[in-house]
Amino acid sequence: GIQVEQSPPDLILQEGANSTLRCNFSDSVNNLQWFHQNPWGQLINLFYIPSGTKQNGRLSATTVATERYSLLYISSSQTTDSGVYFCAVESSGTASKLTFGTGTRLQVTL
Amino acid sequence: EAGVTQSPTHLIKTRGQQATLRCSPISGHTSVYWYQQALGLGLQFLLWYDEGEERNRGNFPPRFSGRQFPNYSSELNVNALELEDSALYLCASSLGTGHTDTQYFGPGTRLTVL
Repeated sequence: GIQVEQSPPDLILQEGANSTLRCNFSDSVNNLQWFHQNPWGQLINLFYIPSGTKQNGRLSATTVATERYSLLYISSSQTTDSGVYFCAVESSGTASKLTFGTGTRLQVTL
Repeated sequence: EAGVTQSPTHLIKTRGQQATLRCSPISGHTSVYWYQQALGLGLQFLLWYDEGEERNRGNFPPRFSGRQFPNYSSELNVNALELEDSALYLCASSLGTGHTDTQYFGPGTRLTVL
């Protein structure tokens, strides 16, 4: 099946810093989503981005489908950005099943 | 618009018992997905239901089963519970087959097996 790798696994930032999270995937995809998992376990949708670039406030994402990677940018980080960020993909041949990466754990300190 | 809802929030069972978890999708969504997040194993796809039918299944034993009702809500049943079934179970919904679309997740049910 499709492999999804995220880097870095852990990231510690000071408030106000910028960061880039990466997601590499091993096959063509129909769907790619970025999520933020809060401390209570809820997965918050950030972006649906199988290709192209999107922005939402301090967050933006870019997916280069031909090169099989996606990037999530967080600018001017805040302590509320702390948590685990997941990339999940739906492979072109796997009927709506999302395969998740192992996540990037982000800690933003004062 | 209400999001995906799940019940119960927490569930404590003992080995060998059965657990039933429930999920209500976003209004208008016909597809429901179940995922398991166990410690050390990450988020894994369990089941996909659409229009009342099971459409896809992950690598889980048959004691994990479920169904989708005419109102598109869904139940996940786990029989003969084992300690390693302790996990956060997440339900998601989307517009359904024919649509490659965003999956929206509920808050989860945390199952503890003692």
